[in-house]
Amino acid sequence: GQNIDQPTEMTATEGAIVQINCTYQTSGFNGLFWYQQHAGEAPTFLSYNVLDGLEEKGRFSSFLSRSKGYSYLLLKELQMKDSASYLCAVGMDSNYQLIWGAGTKLIIKP
Amino acid sequence: DTEVTQTPKHLVMGMTNKKSLKCEQHMGHRAMYWYKQKAKKPPELMFVYSYEKLSINESVPSRFSPECPNSSLLNLHLHALQPEDSALYLCASSQDRSSGANVLTFGAGSRLTVL
Repeated sequence: GQNIDQPTEMTATEGAIVQINCTYQTSGFNGLFWYQQHAGEAPTFLSYNVLDGLEEKGRFSSFLSRSKGYSYLLLKELQMKDSASYLCAVGMDSNYQLIWGAGTKLIIKP
Repeated sequence: DTEVTQTPKHLVMGMTNKKSLKCEQHMGHRAMYWYKQKAKKPPELMFVYSYEKLSINESVPSRFSPECPNSSLLNLHLHALQPEDSALYLCASSQDRSSGANVLTFGAGSRLTVL
């Protein structure tokens, strides 16, 4: 079966750093995506990792370890607007299909 | 133009109605998708069109009927829906790449309520 696990909810303080973990067990792998979704809005693409290591993009970084089936999204210098759900998704070999995690709701407090 | 435009934003329909959701993109993307999303759940893939041909139908009930009139447009025709079909319907598009990331660009969604 296909399985992606991420925490349901996390709370962090404005200006701080937070790490959102994602573990996966899937029958195929064609990269791992992170999307951000604000309440009532569409998901927007944040990052893509297909090789092991860290990808940095401004305040956001994403890490992948394929041997461990593990990824994390690191958010630095948190802002109130970062309050959103963060969805981890694994690309499957068909290239169109993504296996989605249930999402992590991130709450930022002043 | 880096947007996917969906209409209508909100739709309320009865179980005997026929309605359509529309989606448009002008990014030159050749793959277009319909997803269904319930509250606090991840998106569920319904259909994928690649180069205007239906590539994936994820065992969706026939009361949902997709149509891709051209490479920029995607419709979802709705007929005899059930209250449990109430959800946010998301359209997305991507470059149709044989390798590398097929990054999805989502529209803002059509929120459907079936009475």
